[in-house]
Amino acid sequence: DSGVTQTPKHLITATGQRVTLRCSPRSGDLSVYWYQQSLDQGLQFLIQYYNGEERAKGNILERFSAQQFPDLHSELNLSSLELGDSALYFCASSEGQGRGYTFGSGTRLTVV
Amino acid sequence: EDQVTQSPEALRLQEGESSSLNCSYTVSGLRGLFWYRQDPGKGPEFLFTLYSAGEEKEKERLKATLTKKESFLHITAPKPEDSATYLCAVQAGGSQGNLIFGKGTKLSVKP
Repeated sequence: DSGVTQTPKHLITATGQRVTLRCSPRSGDLSVYWYQQSLDQGLQFLIQYYNGEERAKGNILERFSAQQFPDLHSELNLSSLELGDSALYFCASSEGQGRGYTFGSGTRLTVV
Repeated sequence: EDQVTQSPEALRLQEGESSSLNCSYTVSGLRGLFWYRQDPGKGPEFLFTLYSAGEEKEKERLKATLTKKESFLHITAPKPEDSATYLCAVQAGGSQGNLIFGKGTKLSVKP
Protein backbone atom coordinates (compact mmCIF):
# COMPACT_ATOMS: atom_id res chain seq x y z
CA ASP A 1 0.00 0.00 0.00
CA SER A 2 1.60 3.25 -1.20
CA GLY A 3 -0.55 5.47 1.00
CA VAL A 4 -2.25 7.09 -1.99
CA THR A 5 -5.82 5.80 -2.34
CA GLN A 6 -7.76 5.88 -5.58
CA THR A 7 -11.37 4.89 -6.09
CA PRO A 8 -12.93 3.22 -7.90
CA LYS A 9 -10.38 0.69 -9.19
CA HIS A 10 -12.43 -0.10 -12.26
CA LEU A 11 -15.11 1.87 -14.09
CA ILE A 12 -17.07 0.91 -17.18
CA THR A 13 -19.32 3.53 -18.70
CA ALA A 14 -20.92 4.49 -21.99
CA THR A 15 -19.89 7.19 -24.43
CA GLY A 16 -21.28 10.60 -23.60
CA GLN A 17 -21.42 9.92 -19.87
CA ARG A 18 -19.67 11.71 -17.01
CA VAL A 19 -17.58 10.08 -14.28
CA THR A 20 -15.69 11.21 -11.20
CA LEU A 21 -12.43 9.66 -10.03
CA ARG A 22 -11.31 10.18 -6.47
CA CYS A 23 -7.86 10.38 -4.90
CA SER A 24 -6.76 10.64 -1.28
CA PRO A 25 -3.08 11.64 -1.00
CA ARG A 26 -0.55 10.31 1.52
CA SER A 27 -0.88 11.85 4.92
CA GLY A 28 0.96 15.18 4.98
CA ASP A 29 1.33 15.51 1.20
CA LEU A 30 -0.01 18.80 -0.13
CA SER A 31 0.51 18.25 -3.87
CA VAL A 32 -1.70 16.04 -6.00
CA TYR A 33 -0.97 15.18 -9.62
CA TRP A 34 -3.22 13.44 -12.12
CA TYR A 35 -1.81 11.36 -14.98
CA GLN A 36 -3.39 9.43 -17.84
CA GLN A 37 -1.74 6.26 -19.12
CA SER A 38 -2.78 4.71 -22.40
CA LEU A 39 -1.05 1.91 -24.27
CA ASP A 40 0.45 4.07 -27.00
CA GLN A 41 1.05 7.33 -25.15
CA GLY A 42 2.63 6.33 -21.88
CA LEU A 43 2.09 8.46 -18.78
CA GLN A 44 0.76 11.91 -19.66
CA PHE A 45 0.52 14.70 -17.08
CA LEU A 46 -2.96 16.16 -16.79
CA ILE A 47 -3.10 18.60 -13.87
CA GLN A 48 -1.55 19.46 -10.50
CA TYR A 49 -3.02 20.91 -7.33
CA TYR A 50 -1.14 22.21 -4.31
CA ASN A 51 -3.02 22.79 -1.07
CA GLY A 52 -6.28 23.39 -2.86
CA GLU A 53 -4.98 25.57 -5.68
CA GLU A 54 -4.35 24.61 -9.28
CA ARG A 55 -0.61 24.88 -9.98
CA ALA A 56 0.02 23.40 -13.41
CA LYS A 57 -1.86 22.06 -16.39
CA GLY A 58 -0.63 19.55 -18.91
CA ASN A 59 -2.44 17.87 -21.77
CA ILE A 60 -5.84 18.03 -20.13
CA LEU A 61 -8.89 18.19 -22.37
CA GLU A 62 -11.54 20.86 -21.81
CA ARG A 63 -14.00 18.04 -21.10
CA PHE A 64 -11.90 17.13 -18.06
CA SER A 65 -11.69 19.10 -14.84
CA ALA A 66 -10.34 18.57 -11.34
CA GLN A 67 -10.37 20.07 -7.89
CA GLN A 68 -8.71 19.60 -4.54
CA PHE A 69 -10.78 19.93 -1.41
CA PRO A 70 -9.85 21.37 2.02
CA ASP A 71 -9.13 17.88 3.35
CA LEU A 72 -6.65 17.59 0.40
CA HIS A 73 -8.44 14.80 -1.43
CA SER A 74 -8.87 15.42 -5.13
CA GLU A 75 -11.41 14.53 -7.77
CA LEU A 76 -10.98 14.28 -11.52
CA ASN A 77 -14.16 14.80 -13.49
CA LEU A 78 -14.39 13.41 -17.02
CA SER A 79 -17.42 14.38 -19.11
CA SER A 80 -18.81 13.69 -22.58
CA LEU A 81 -16.71 10.55 -22.57
CA GLU A 82 -15.35 9.15 -25.81
CA LEU A 83 -13.94 5.71 -26.62
CA GLY A 84 -10.46 7.24 -26.71
CA ASP A 85 -10.72 8.26 -23.07
CA SER A 86 -10.36 4.63 -22.05
CA ALA A 87 -7.13 4.46 -20.07
CA LEU A 88 -5.59 4.09 -16.66
CA TYR A 89 -5.83 7.25 -14.59
CA PHE A 90 -3.27 7.68 -11.84
CA CYS A 91 -3.07 10.07 -8.98
CA ALA A 92 0.21 10.83 -7.26
CA SER A 93 1.08 12.94 -4.26
CA SER A 94 4.17 14.63 -2.86
CA GLU A 95 5.18 16.87 0.03
CA GLY A 96 6.04 19.68 -2.36
CA GLN A 97 7.96 20.56 -5.47
CA GLY A 98 11.27 19.07 -6.47
CA ARG A 99 10.71 15.65 -4.98
CA GLY A 100 9.72 12.31 -6.41
CA TYR A 101 6.20 11.34 -5.69
CA THR A 102 4.09 8.37 -4.77
CA PHE A 103 1.50 6.95 -7.11
CA GLY A 104 -1.79 5.33 -6.31
CA SER A 105 -2.86 2.05 -7.88
CA GLY A 106 -4.97 3.78 -10.50
CA THR A 107 -8.50 3.72 -11.88
CA ARG A 108 -9.03 1.74 -15.05
CA LEU A 109 -11.66 3.51 -17.13
CA THR A 110 -13.33 1.67 -19.98
CA VAL A 111 -15.69 3.62 -22.23
CA VAL A 112 -17.96 1.44 -24.35
CA GLU B 1 10.52 20.93 -26.03
CA ASP B 2 11.30 18.79 -22.99
CA GLN B 3 11.29 15.10 -23.80
CA VAL B 4 12.44 11.70 -22.59
CA THR B 5 13.34 8.74 -24.79
CA GLN B 6 13.90 5.27 -23.40
CA SER B 7 15.59 2.36 -25.11
CA PRO B 8 15.17 -0.42 -25.81
CA GLU B 9 11.37 -0.63 -25.78
CA ALA B 10 11.62 -4.26 -24.65
CA LEU B 11 14.44 -6.38 -23.29
CA ARG B 12 14.54 -10.08 -22.67
CA LEU B 13 17.24 -11.46 -20.39
CA GLN B 14 18.13 -14.81 -18.94
CA GLU B 15 18.33 -14.96 -15.18
CA GLY B 16 21.78 -13.74 -14.16
CA GLU B 17 22.44 -11.93 -17.45
CA SER B 18 23.33 -8.32 -16.58
CA SER B 19 22.34 -5.43 -18.83
CA SER B 20 21.52 -1.71 -18.94
CA LEU B 21 18.49 0.38 -19.81
CA ASN B 22 18.96 3.81 -21.36
CA CYS B 23 17.09 7.06 -20.79
CA SER B 24 18.00 10.04 -22.98
CA TYR B 25 16.54 13.40 -22.10
CA THR B 26 16.24 16.93 -23.38
CA VAL B 27 15.11 19.36 -20.73
CA SER B 28 15.54 23.01 -19.89
CA GLY B 29 17.24 23.02 -16.52
CA LEU B 30 17.09 19.55 -15.03
CA ARG B 31 15.77 19.57 -11.47
CA GLY B 32 15.73 15.82 -11.13
CA LEU B 33 15.67 12.53 -13.01
CA PHE B 34 13.49 9.75 -11.63
CA TRP B 35 13.31 6.01 -12.17
CA TYR B 36 10.13 4.08 -11.46
CA ARG B 37 9.18 0.42 -11.74
CA GLN B 38 5.68 -0.47 -12.92
CA ASP B 39 4.06 -3.91 -12.73
CA PRO B 40 1.09 -4.66 -15.02
CA GLY B 41 -2.12 -2.93 -13.90
CA LYS B 42 -0.40 -1.19 -10.98
CA GLY B 43 0.89 2.26 -10.22
CA PRO B 44 4.53 3.18 -10.77
CA GLU B 45 6.77 2.44 -7.78
CA PHE B 46 9.53 4.93 -7.00
CA LEU B 47 13.11 3.65 -7.32
CA PHE B 48 15.61 6.52 -7.52
CA THR B 49 16.06 10.26 -7.92
CA LEU B 50 19.24 11.67 -9.44
CA TYR B 51 19.96 15.38 -9.37
CA SER B 52 23.33 16.05 -10.99
CA ALA B 53 25.70 14.56 -13.55
CA GLY B 54 28.01 11.99 -12.03
CA GLU B 55 25.56 10.95 -9.35
CA GLU B 56 24.93 7.23 -8.80
CA LYS B 57 22.43 5.37 -6.62
CA GLU B 58 22.02 1.68 -5.88
CA LYS B 59 19.28 -0.54 -4.59
CA GLU B 60 19.74 -4.31 -4.49
CA ARG B 61 20.49 -5.38 -8.09
CA LEU B 62 19.77 -1.96 -9.57
CA LYS B 63 22.16 0.93 -10.07
CA ALA B 64 21.22 4.25 -11.66
CA THR B 65 23.71 6.70 -13.12
CA LEU B 66 23.33 10.17 -14.62
CA THR B 67 25.21 12.20 -17.22
CA LYS B 68 24.30 15.55 -18.74
CA LYS B 69 22.31 13.90 -21.52
CA GLU B 70 21.26 10.46 -20.33
CA SER B 71 20.75 8.08 -17.48
CA PHE B 72 21.37 4.37 -17.27
CA LEU B 73 19.69 1.79 -15.12
CA HIS B 74 22.09 -1.12 -14.70
CA ILE B 75 20.64 -4.45 -13.67
CA THR B 76 23.14 -6.91 -12.24
CA ALA B 77 22.37 -10.63 -12.21
CA PRO B 78 18.62 -10.10 -12.66
CA LYS B 79 16.01 -12.47 -11.29
CA PRO B 80 12.55 -13.25 -12.70
CA GLU B 81 10.98 -10.98 -10.08
CA ASP B 82 12.78 -8.03 -11.69
CA SER B 83 10.47 -8.39 -14.68
CA ALA B 84 8.49 -5.16 -15.03
CA THR B 85 8.34 -1.96 -17.05
CA TYR B 86 10.95 0.57 -15.98
CA LEU B 87 10.00 4.21 -16.44
CA CYS B 88 12.31 7.20 -16.58
CA ALA B 89 11.02 10.73 -15.92
CA VAL B 90 12.48 14.22 -15.65
CA GLN B 91 11.43 17.33 -13.83
CA ALA B 92 12.21 20.50 -15.73
CA GLY B 93 13.55 23.65 -14.14
CA GLY B 94 10.48 25.72 -14.86
CA SER B 95 7.94 23.14 -13.77
CA GLN B 96 5.75 23.16 -10.69
CA GLY B 97 6.77 19.60 -9.94
CA ASN B 98 5.13 17.61 -12.72
CA LEU B 99 7.23 14.91 -14.37
CA ILE B 100 7.74 14.15 -18.05
CA PHE B 101 7.84 10.40 -18.57
CA GLY B 102 9.41 8.23 -21.22
CA LYS B 103 7.40 5.34 -22.62
CA GLY B 104 9.35 2.80 -20.63
CA THR B 105 11.39 -0.34 -21.16
CA LYS B 106 9.58 -3.62 -20.64
CA LEU B 107 12.01 -6.06 -19.03
CA SER B 108 11.42 -9.81 -19.04
CA VAL B 109 13.77 -12.07 -17.11
CA LYS B 110 13.48 -15.76 -17.85
CA PRO B 111 14.60 -18.43 -15.36
